[in-house]
Amino acid sequence: DIQMTQSPSSLSASIGDRVTITCRASQTISTYLNWYQHKPGKAPKVLIYAASNLQSGVPSRFSGSGSGTDFTLTINSLQPEDFATYYCQQSYTTPRTFGQGTKVEIK
Amino acid sequence: QVQLQESGPGLVKPSGTLSLTCEVSGDSFTRKNWWSWVRQPPGKGLEWIGEIYHSGTTNYNPSLKSRVTISIDKSKNQFSLNLKSVTAADTAVYYCARDNFFGSGSQYFDYWGQGILVTVSS
Repeated sequence: DIQMTQSPSSLSASIGDRVTITCRASQTISTYLNWYQHKPGKAPKVLIYAASNLQSGVPSRFSGSGSGTDFTLTINSLQPEDFATYYCQQSYTTPRTFGQGTKVEIK
Repeated sequence: QVQLQESGPGLVKPSGTLSLTCEVSGDSFTRKNWWSWVRQPPGKGLEWIGEIYHSGTTNYNPSLKSRVTISIDKSKNQFSLNLKSVTAADTAVYYCARDNFFGSGSQYFDYWGQGILVTVSS
């Protein structure tokens, strides 16, 4: 299985901050990498697919980059509704695997 | 708008079988889509269980493969999950989701159900 490792596991940030979350794959996955936002009691929501493509309807303050084994999710100007847990997921092969999550909390 | 809704028992006894159904509206199983089950144990991350194609072809997570069956009923626009010989470690919120494929095989989960908590306990 391809292991996905996110860092940090949690972070505290203020409204308006720029937040960066990283995801590392245990082997190269090209750009087969997706990012999800998950809030308690809600369904996960895709933000970025194929490493850098913004899903329709997702605010442009979210962006993704990377290829190979190292990827980044950036949130520019953090908003109150962005406090959630973020997961990366590789789609290079099955089993599809997720990172352990990064919880973004209010400072 | 595609919508998915999980249903099934919220409590299953140890060694029993967990059975869930996902009803899909706004889409059809005649389209060439894959449909997945994903779970999240309390306080933990997301784990992919497996997926089924509209033709009935399946892929399973090797960690669960010996206990999992995913099936599809196109006449009812729903697909199902059976997980046998459950233990407390199978307690989780279970989600169904649609796989969206594009380009050269890139995949992501674009629609999800709200999730259903299943507790394994006597």
